[in-house]
Amino acid sequence: DTEVTQTPKHLVMGMTNKKSLKCEQHMGHRAMYWYKQKAKKPPELMFVYSYEKLSINESVPSRFSPECPNSSLLNLHLHALQPEDSALYLCASSWTSGGRNTGELFFGEGSRLTVL
Amino acid sequence: SQQGEEDPQALSIQEGENATMNCSYKTSINNLQWYRQNSGRGLVHLILIRSNEREKHSGRLRVTLDTSKKSSSLLITASRAADTASYFCAPGYSTLTFGKGTMLLVSP
Repeated sequence: DTEVTQTPKHLVMGMTNKKSLKCEQHMGHRAMYWYKQKAKKPPELMFVYSYEKLSINESVPSRFSPECPNSSLLNLHLHALQPEDSALYLCASSWTSGGRNTGELFFGEGSRLTVL
Repeated sequence: SQQGEEDPQALSIQEGENATMNCSYKTSINNLQWYRQNSGRGLVHLILIRSNEREKHSGRLRVTLDTSKKSSSLLITASRAADTASYFCAPGYSTLTFGKGTMLLVSP
């Protein structure tokens, strides 16, 4: 099983809503990532978890709150988002050694978020 | 982490032709990876080349790495319409970041 599963595939939310994006992998990877991708732009790294601990936060606004409840799951909690936060949110996982990525990233298909 | 810079930003070819795209980076690396992204989908890993390798093949893909010039190239031979996608290089040492990519359009 070499799959990263993201749910939901599409999400529409208002600026006052609270929602969550979920990501799951069963490859035994201990590094998990959130990327944000706007249209016609490259993916931008948001957060990195290594061994269930947050290791990198790329100065992401606090309205995005990541959580890694166990080695297979990664959540991104969303609250009070702005319309400019509308984007494709990509989850990825990889093997890690000493907190460093040691090879390829396995990406999910993404969650398309629209903030009204 | 560092991001690569892909060139050209856009490439349009006919089916059956070869497509070459290049990647430059700034600081030393232990490996470099290439990824493909079809429109609106997740990224798919294509190939990883280590710093002690000069060339690597995978099916219709050929990747070269010149660490002295801090550059890599990705050649797709006998391209197909299904190769239409954005291609990103990722100079890897730690966490991967992505440059703007090369948008490849293969017309039937």
